[in-house]
Amino acid sequence: EDQVTQSPEALRLQEGESSSLNCSYTVSGLRGLFWYRQDPGKGPEFLFTLYSAGEEKEKERLKATLTKKESFLHITAPKPEDSATYLCAVQAGGNEKLTFGTGTRLTIIP
Amino acid sequence: NAGVTQTPKFQVLKTGQSMTLQCAQDMNHNSMYWYRQDPGMGLRLIYYSASEGTTDKGEVPNGYNVSRLNKREFSLRLESAAPSQTSVYFCASSGGGLAKNIQYFGAGTRLSVL
Repeated sequence: EDQVTQSPEALRLQEGESSSLNCSYTVSGLRGLFWYRQDPGKGPEFLFTLYSAGEEKEKERLKATLTKKESFLHITAPKPEDSATYLCAVQAGGNEKLTFGTGTRLTIIP
Repeated sequence: NAGVTQTPKFQVLKTGQSMTLQCAQDMNHNSMYWYRQDPGMGLRLIYYSASEGTTDKGEVPNGYNVSRLNKREFSLRLESAAPSQTSVYFCASSGGGLAKNIQYFGAGTRLSVL
């Protein structure tokens, strides 16, 4: 059974204080690892897909990296508007289904 | 470009009542999905449809039925609602081109069953 664990559950940072969110996974035959952002009262918004160990992708203050066991979402010099819940999901095997972690709730304090 | 549209946005039901949640996408995607999101549980797949005319069970299908009406629309039906079905329901779709495995989500339906 595919498993995804995200840590920490919640993270409070001062504006400009860089940090990383972790997503560890156990799957058979990883096809892709996905990061989403979810704002309160809204649906998840796609950020990145990573397909193989060593791959990195960046968007503004966010950078996602992937190893064979985990992914990190690095946030550099965050701003209050980066406050959201960040979800990690994996796609494995021969189907399109995603298995999600429970998310990290990030709060950036001005 | 609306993307994935869900109706209604909010609903309150009494135990035993039935209702249908509607989902439509305008991205010409083949695959569509229904998830529920509960505190501390993450998003869990209820049902999905890989193409028009096909549906398959996900992780938590009990108490739900689905219909893939056409390529655009995928509905979720609660025949006899229970308090355990109080949740936020999200519809998603994927398919097409280089981004074929990326799922795009609607804004959700917040359902309370009393």
